[in-house]
Amino acid sequence: DTEVTQTPKHLVMGMTNKKSLKCEQHMGHRAMYWYKQKAKKPPELMFVYSYEKLSINESVPSRFSPECPNSSLLNLHLHALQPEDSALYLCASSQEVVIEKLFFGSGTQLSVL
Amino acid sequence: AQTVTQSQPEMSVQEAETVTLSCTYDTSESDYYLFWYKQPPSRQMILVIRQEAYKQQNATENRFSVNFQKAAKSFSLKISDSQLGDAAMYFCAYHSGGSNYKLTFGKGTLLTVNP
Repeated sequence: DTEVTQTPKHLVMGMTNKKSLKCEQHMGHRAMYWYKQKAKKPPELMFVYSYEKLSINESVPSRFSPECPNSSLLNLHLHALQPEDSALYLCASSQEVVIEKLFFGSGTQLSVL
Repeated sequence: AQTVTQSQPEMSVQEAETVTLSCTYDTSESDYYLFWYKQPPSRQMILVIRQEAYKQQNATENRFSVNFQKAAKSFSLKISDSQLGDAAMYFCAYHSGGSNYKLTFGKGTLLTVNP
């Protein structure tokens, strides 16, 4: 299994809603990532978990809350988002600490109304 | 800080022909990694090819090859015998190696393949 699975594929939420994005991999990777991607732009790193501990938080607003329940799962909890948070959210994983190769999921397209 | 520049926002190629996508980068490191990622309309980013800076030999993966010029800090991607499935956004990326988790991406080149 060489896949990173993200759910849901699409999400529409209001600014007062609470929702969660989920990411799962079964490749035994110990590093997992959340990226945000606006249309026709490169991905921007948000968070990195290494061995289930938060290693990088790229000054992301607190309305985004990551969680890594175990080595295979990564969640992104969303609360009180703004319309400018509408974007494609990509999850990725990699082996150990060195980025030999990033495996990406297909993303969650988020629209905030 | 490292920067990655892709000077061609859009490129097009006829099916079965060859196209080269350009990428330059700026770094003071001597050892690092360079990547080309492809993002088709399905949105999933896929690694196309990877180059380690300490290797002088250019990386190749089937129809994909790179021209790595370390002194010039240039890392171009050549796609031979282009296929319709090659149509995608292509991102050049830099990684400094070690325990650094960050990839620095270029702005991307949108490749269109004409039948």
